[in-house]
Amino acid sequence: EVQLVESGGGLVKPGGSLRLSCAASGFTFSNAWMNWVRQAPGKGLEWVGRIKSKADGETTDYAAPVKGRFTISRDDSKNTLYLQMNSLKTEDTAVYYCITGPTWGQGTLVTVSS
Amino acid sequence: QAVVTQEPSLTVSPRGTITLTCGSSTGAVTSGHYPYWFQQKPGQAPRTLIYHTSNKHSWTPARFSGSLLGGKAALTLSGAQPEDEAEYYCLLTYSDSRVFGGGTKLTVL
Repeated sequence: EVQLVESGGGLVKPGGSLRLSCAASGFTFSNAWMNWVRQAPGKGLEWVGRIKSKADGETTDYAAPVKGRFTISRDDSKNTLYLQMNSLKTEDTAVYYCITGPTWGQGTLVTVSS
Repeated sequence: QAVVTQEPSLTVSPRGTITLTCGSSTGAVTSGHYPYWFQQKPGQAPRTLIYHTSNKHSWTPARFSGSLLGGKAALTLSGAQPEDEAEYYCLLTYSDSRVFGGGTKLTVL
């Protein structure tokens, strides 16, 4: 069974940093293109960014609101996806999901507040 | 960045048929945008219904179908059930990004 489990969410002050993890199982993680998506409270879905597989260059793309502040990386030896979030703003408050193909994790909540 | 548009809300009668649409500010939606459709119920993570315009997953009820219609991606629900009441999101792929629509709140009433 394909499974994605996010962790690392919590409360952080504006300007702070946080790293989210997404543990993957049930598929060949190293071959997968992985995405992060977020959803602010009571709002719609917002694509955050994507990382390709190593075979496809491990390149990353980001949505405009997070470009330059967020970094997506992967550790294929650990079957884990990461989202490093720096210079956090209150508007980054959201549930963050990792996704591959049709499969969504359950999400992890990030709250940016003083 | 492109803007993806969906109807904010729609209502369908039980056993009725309704089509949700997904448009792009850059022009006609094509198969090259690899349209996805997701369903989200309150308090739950989204789940994928349709990928690459019209392909279903094993868990996608047969009453849902995807297509391209009039320059937009479309999700058609034929024979609506009470459990289909939910928020529906489309997702389009562009050269270096992916963009969600704002979502359609579907009421079955």
